[in-house]
Amino acid sequence: DAGVTQSPTHLIKTRGQHVTLRCSPISGHKSVSWYQQVLGQGPQFIFQYYEKEERGRGNFPDRFSARQFPNYSSELNVNALLLGDSALYLCASSLSGARNQPQHFGDGTRLSIL
Amino acid sequence: AQSVAQPEDQVNVAEGNPLTVKCTYSVSGNPYLFWYVQYPNRGLQFLLKYITGDNLVKGSYGFEAEFNKSQTSFHLKKPSALVSDSALYFCAVRGMNTGFQKLVFGTGTRLLVSP
Repeated sequence: DAGVTQSPTHLIKTRGQHVTLRCSPISGHKSVSWYQQVLGQGPQFIFQYYEKEERGRGNFPDRFSARQFPNYSSELNVNALLLGDSALYLCASSLSGARNQPQHFGDGTRLSIL
Repeated sequence: AQSVAQPEDQVNVAEGNPLTVKCTYSVSGNPYLFWYVQYPNRGLQFLLKYITGDNLVKGSYGFEAEFNKSQTSFHLKKPSALVSDSALYFCAVRGMNTGFQKLVFGTGTRLLVSP
């Protein structure tokens, strides 16, 4: 079975641009979360979506937004890109929204801002 | 607020020797605890979790972890290390009082297993 798939794998943007990252969860998984991993640090939570509704939001500015589609795939959007947005963006899925469920991660999208 | 500390940036061990990667946590109430491994240019791979019950949790690839409530620790262990275990290891916590699935990660520990 396919794991969590993310696209694109790499992306280069310039300051002020907008970016959309995409994620397809493991088949049957209904919860998707997004994390930002800056080089040398652990992942930081951005959003969780379950059944197409936002369930949780981390400490990120309003330039970051996301949504989940009826097929449970998800998009992360970032507007007005800053140099500090350069990072690996990870998508994780879980079977349900329950807190005891482990999250399974994709290989991420590496975003570089010039 | 939830937090995780991984006190060692790097752990070095010879192949065949036991390994321990340390993790301590801070959370209100009882915790859900997780270990993940990250190989170069890859995402995080789930190893094991502690939810409740037995303090010794067994996971993938021969790894296990011991939950110690009094010391607020959740150390990752393996009886016999392999060179292929060399990777970046992350401990993560989720509070039972958290209304959603947010994981709080430590800064990671690089494990280097020498032949």
